[in-house]
Amino acid sequence: DQQVKQNSPSLSVQEGRISILNCDYTNSMFDYFLWYKKYPAEGPTFLISISSIKDKNEDGRFTVFLNKSAKHLSLHIVPSQPGDSAVYFCAASSNYGGSQGNLIFGKGTKLSVKP
Amino acid sequence: GAGVSQSPSNKVTEKGKDVELRCDPISGHTALYWYRQRLGQGLEFLIYFQGNSAPDKSGLPSDRFSAERTGESVSTLTIQRTQQEDSAVYLCASSPLGTARYGANVLTFGAGSRLTVL
Repeated sequence: DQQVKQNSPSLSVQEGRISILNCDYTNSMFDYFLWYKKYPAEGPTFLISISSIKDKNEDGRFTVFLNKSAKHLSLHIVPSQPGDSAVYFCAASSNYGGSQGNLIFGKGTKLSVKP
Repeated sequence: GAGVSQSPSNKVTEKGKDVELRCDPISGHTALYWYRQRLGQGLEFLIYFQGNSAPDKSGLPSDRFSAERTGESVSTLTIQRTQQEDSAVYLCASSPLGTARYGANVLTFGAGSRLTVL
């Protein structure tokens, strides 16, 4: 039973355009949501996070939007650059329950930005 | 060290053999995590250590898997009697606090240990 779902395994975007990566979750107790980026043969690296009390967080070209009522978040990258080509993982954590520090990850979306 | 260090980076073993994977977390990080990523899959949680608390082993797939951590330093993940379905990249991560209570719990990952079981 997946608590964090990324339904699009891949996304292809033209350089300079907007990339929108989507993530859905089922656990309403999640407090924080994070996006990680992973290049081949490297570990995932943290990109941006958002608290469940906010609906938007922006950092340079990256913006994360959270819609709690829909249990949906999205990562917007604009403008997209070829170096953004990577696998993007959505993750969530909860302040409640037995695993307070654990991050639950989605399966990832592979973004390809074409020059 | 500056980052999370994992060894070996690659391990090829025969079915039925035991393997040990090592993780050196960032100095001062109290929380340490093991995840694995099988081909075409997402990151699967295995085990989580937080300070002196009992580890959360809820993600370990079978009793062939075990992990230890010495204080707040090195951790070893051991897989006994390896099977082909154990083939994956095993990722270790650490974080300063290990809880979302004080903000987003940002994990820093190592590059992983790629395990291939023949």
